[in-house]
Amino acid sequence: SQTIHQWPATLVQPVGSPLSLECTVEGTSNPNLYWYRQAAGRGLQLLFYSVGIGQISSEVPQNLSASRPQDRQFILSSKKLLLSDSGFYLCAWSSGTSGRESSYNEQFFGPGTRLTVL
Amino acid sequence: AQSVTQLDSQVPVFEEAPVELRCNYSSSVSVYLFWYVQYPNQGLQLLLKYLSGSTLVKGINGFEAEFNKSQTSFHLRKPSVHISDTAEYFCAVKAGGSARQLTFGSGTQLTVLP
Repeated sequence: SQTIHQWPATLVQPVGSPLSLECTVEGTSNPNLYWYRQAAGRGLQLLFYSVGIGQISSEVPQNLSASRPQDRQFILSSKKLLLSDSGFYLCAWSSGTSGRESSYNEQFFGPGTRLTVL
Repeated sequence: AQSVTQLDSQVPVFEEAPVELRCNYSSSVSVYLFWYVQYPNQGLQLLLKYLSGSTLVKGINGFEAEFNKSQTSFHLRKPSVHISDTAEYFCAVKAGGSARQLTFGSGTQLTVLP
């Protein structure tokens, strides 16, 4: 069966420090991968998605970047954190073999990382 | 582009009472609709989804939702809630045939009171 891992579970970082959050998926190959951010009292905002190694699409301009060095590894980074980067970060995956355009592949979410920037 | 509106940010309800969480969407194309649940400090879990066919969809934990195309709604219902249903609920939409992203609503916090 497929599983998705995120770490760390919680993180407290000072403003201006770097960030690296990691997400890995097991039990599947060539998944689509996603990074979402959930700010307090707000819904989920898609930050990045990836359909393959080295292929990253950014949904919103921001202080963050993403990389996919391996098929089942997705990393969220920042060189200098801002206070506004605080939030709950969720990684998700879906099957990369979608078949017909009208089909849908469910997204499965990881447990999340709670980031507090002070 | 599609959007999702969850009209109620907080819904308190007593245990064993019925509940309805409202969701409206807008899209110029056909859509797929979803409800996710998030327990405190956890990821999201799929409750149910509408892809096609019957407009009444049954999900896990006794929840169901009805797709109403004319009203562009996908309200979530449960006839009798339990304390354990306390969580945040997200409605989401994906445009058929588009890229792979989901668009989420801002969420509804359901609090079940004893």
